[in-house]
Amino acid sequence: GAGVSQTPSNKVTEKGKYVELRCDPISGHTALYWYRQSLGQGPEFLIYFQGTGAADDSGLPNDRFFAVRPEGSVSTLKIQRTERGDSAVYLCASSPGSQSTYNEQFFGPGTRLTVL
Amino acid sequence: GQQLNQSPQSMFIQEGEDVSMNCTSSSIFNTWLWYKQDPGEGPVLLIALYKAGELTSNGRLTAQFGITRKDSFLNISASIPSDVGIYFCAGQLADYGGSQGNLIFGKGTKLSVKP
Repeated sequence: GAGVSQTPSNKVTEKGKYVELRCDPISGHTALYWYRQSLGQGPEFLIYFQGTGAADDSGLPNDRFFAVRPEGSVSTLKIQRTERGDSAVYLCASSPGSQSTYNEQFFGPGTRLTVL
Repeated sequence: GQQLNQSPQSMFIQEGEDVSMNCTSSSIFNTWLWYKQDPGEGPVLLIALYKAGELTSNGRLTAQFGITRKDSFLNISASIPSDVGIYFCAGQLADYGGSQGNLIFGKGTKLSVKP
């Protein structure tokens, strides 16, 4: 069965450029999460969608980061004016969502972002 | 921010050995999850725990949700070479509200094969 997919798998960009990272969740999952993982660390929460709306964006580090999920399925994480410190693996996860009492989150393979 | 203290940071295993690792926090959690991550891949869910005291097995893996709701452990019995990788604990804070929400991750336990 199809799991969470993320594109691109790798993205190299220059400081100051704009990037978009895409996540396609497991079909039927209403909850979608973005995390960021730096080398040697565990994933850190960025934003959580329930359906089309951002239920919690408290993990976004600053206003250069923005995410959308316009139809309640695919989500795009957008980073403006990229900085070298943004380099990390960006992970997307999905879970069944509010219709479930369980918070089992299933992760995609991640997008490795390198800002030169 | 909230932190999970995961230990040990790394360990070496010999085939057939049992392995234990744990996570502790000063905060109360209502969910504990254990993941394994291989290089270049996303974390893969191993075991999910939802009740204090719950003990759950998945093949050679056994995990427990601590009765204080502030800790969890993972045991791997009779380890095999493919067990190498990084294991993460993750939890959802009890005061987050609702059954869904972001997870807080430990820094991971790296399992390697004894030279």
